[in-house]
Amino acid sequence: AQSVAQPEDQVNVAEGNPLTVKCTYSVSGNPYLFWYVQYPNRGLQFLLKYITGDNLVKGSYGFEAEFNKSQTSFHLKKPSALVSDSALYFCAVPPLSGGYNKLIFGAGTRLAVHP
Amino acid sequence: EAQVTQNPRYLITVTGKKLTVTCSQNMNHEYMSWYRQDPGLGLRQIYYSMNVEVTDKGDVPEGYKVSRKEKRNFPLILESPSPNQTSLYFCASSLGIGENEQFFGPGTRLTVL
Repeated sequence: AQSVAQPEDQVNVAEGNPLTVKCTYSVSGNPYLFWYVQYPNRGLQFLLKYITGDNLVKGSYGFEAEFNKSQTSFHLKKPSALVSDSALYFCAVPPLSGGYNKLIFGAGTRLAVHP
Repeated sequence: EAQVTQNPRYLITVTGKKLTVTCSQNMNHEYMSWYRQDPGLGLRQIYYSMNVEVTDKGDVPEGYKVSRKEKRNFPLILESPSPNQTSLYFCASSLGIGENEQFFGPGTRLTVL
């Protein structure tokens, strides 16, 4: 079965410091992996995705994610956090063919960036 | 503007009174789905649709119905709402499965008294 796990409910970071939001996956075959962000009182927005190719994927708002096959991880990173990055972040496995038709989200990690 | 719209955005109703939450996308997307978001439980998929007239259950389908008569619309129907269906609901669509990102609606906050 396909699954993703986000081991941290909350991550606290000081503004200007680097941030990491963790995600590990269990996926059959070559994984497609996504990150979405939910700002307060808003719907989810796409941040970035890994399909194939370079292990370091760059996305919106200065975020990037590193795909690590040996550790089955896809951690979200940003070199310098902003207060406006405070939001709920979800790692996800998209619907696929071959019976894996459902989009699967992690439980979410709340990022709090303090001034 | 490419978007997913949901209506209503907020709804307070009473137990047993049938309601429909509409979802529409203007991107000619094939895949559409509904989620509910509850504190501590994250996002859970209710139903999804691979294309017109093709729907299937997600993880929490009990108490909900959907239909996909047109490609752009995917309404969520609560035939007899109960208080445990009080939640924040999101509709989403994507061009297809696999590498395509999901586009989410703004959400519908439903309270069932």
